[in-house]
Amino acid sequence: SQQGEEDPQALSIQEGENATMNCSYKTSINNLQWYRQNSGRGLVHLILIRSNEREKHSGRLRVTLDTSKKSSSLLITASRAADTASYFCATDSGNTGKLIFGQGTTLQVKP
Amino acid sequence: KAGVTQTPRYLIKTRGQQVTLSCSPISGHRSVSWYQQTPGQGLQFLFEYFSETQRNKGNFPGRFSGRQFSNSRSEMNVSTLELGDSALYLCASSWGVAGANVLTFGAGSRLTVL
Repeated sequence: SQQGEEDPQALSIQEGENATMNCSYKTSINNLQWYRQNSGRGLVHLILIRSNEREKHSGRLRVTLDTSKKSSSLLITASRAADTASYFCATDSGNTGKLIFGQGTTLQVKP
Repeated sequence: KAGVTQTPRYLIKTRGQQVTLSCSPISGHRSVSWYQQTPGQGLQFLFEYFSETQRNKGNFPGRFSGRQFSNSRSEMNVSTLELGDSALYLCASSWGVAGANVLTFGAGSRLTVL
């Protein structure tokens, strides 16, 4: 399969705690993106990190990228119940319109 | 500004029938991509259109086809439906610029094949 892998598959934490999700991929990339999906609806873009970047922040989100290990991580700090969703990494290898998605991590944040 | 609009949101078909799904992209976006999402296979790329031309195609059988109109609206068609075609079909639009491929997704069309 071309798809990458994410771990854990599921994560349950309390509000206020941090959540870390990991993503591994197989091919060389231009950039890696993270998306969120709420309960079977459309995906929402969260953050993009380019292949020449190692870390990027956006609000409570922190993304790291290690191209030598073909891996990325997404950290959500001070989680809220509203962060409950599935999170997907997606790699862009330069084929416009085509992203390769991981299998996703389902995050549950308990109030 | 309006987001990506997909119609219909839900539909039920029987095996052997065909289905057409519609997608209206964000105004100004010229690239439209389609993805199939199932619990077993996850999110899989179907195809991408830009300025009415298919630029990329995933590994799906020829029963899956699409097109894009001059106003960038897109349709995808699945003929001779099989049970395994039951899925959430997601459309996404973008500017279509290589290396800056941020997708805006619609809410999806959930297809159930009986």
